[in-house]
Amino acid sequence: GENVEQHPSTLSVQEGDSAVIKCTYSDSASNYFPWYKQELGKGPQLIIDIRSNVGEKKDQRIAVTLNKTAKHFSLHITETQPEDSAVYFCAASIGYSTLTFGKGTMLLVSP
Amino acid sequence: DSGVTQTPKHLITATGQRVTLRCSPRSGDLSVYWYQQSLDQGLQFLIQYYNGEERAKGNILERFSAQQFPDLHSELNLSSLELGDSALYFCASSASQSGELFFGEGSRLTVL
Repeated sequence: GENVEQHPSTLSVQEGDSAVIKCTYSDSASNYFPWYKQELGKGPQLIIDIRSNVGEKKDQRIAVTLNKTAKHFSLHITETQPEDSAVYFCAASIGYSTLTFGKGTMLLVSP
Repeated sequence: DSGVTQTPKHLITATGQRVTLRCSPRSGDLSVYWYQQSLDQGLQFLIQYYNGEERAKGNILERFSAQQFPDLHSELNLSSLELGDSALYFCASSASQSGELFFGEGSRLTVL
């Protein structure tokens, strides 16, 4: 089955800096790549996703890039703010199959 | 608020016992998913139901079982509990068999 590796496991940045989280996947047939944000005491929430027919997608301060050849995708957060502090999960799926999640990245944004 | 309700929020029990976790999906969502979250394993997919039928199975132990009822709520049954079963159990729902998942706030199980 699909295997998703996520790095780094923890990331500390200063407010205003950029943060990048990277994921690799194993199954070249995967074509859906969402990112979820989990705040303390809450369930994960979708923040952005990308499908394999595009290479980049942006939504305000967050963007996701996909390199299908290398089988990796990344989350970019610019101008980080303290409220961006959370655990971020990448995931991958093939068509309508269930999502396989990475192990998560704890992002800490210091004021 | 995702619209997905999970009960109980916290549960403490002893080894060998059996517990039931309950999930009410968002109104109209037909798919329900169960995930286990532990510190070192991230979000592990357990099982998915769609409109009352099992659709996919992940790393679910034989001691665990689930079902989805006609009103679409779901229950996850964990039996012969072991210390290693201590984790946060999430339920998620989606409108179809794929697409965005809406997670509940989880049920934290502690096995002593």
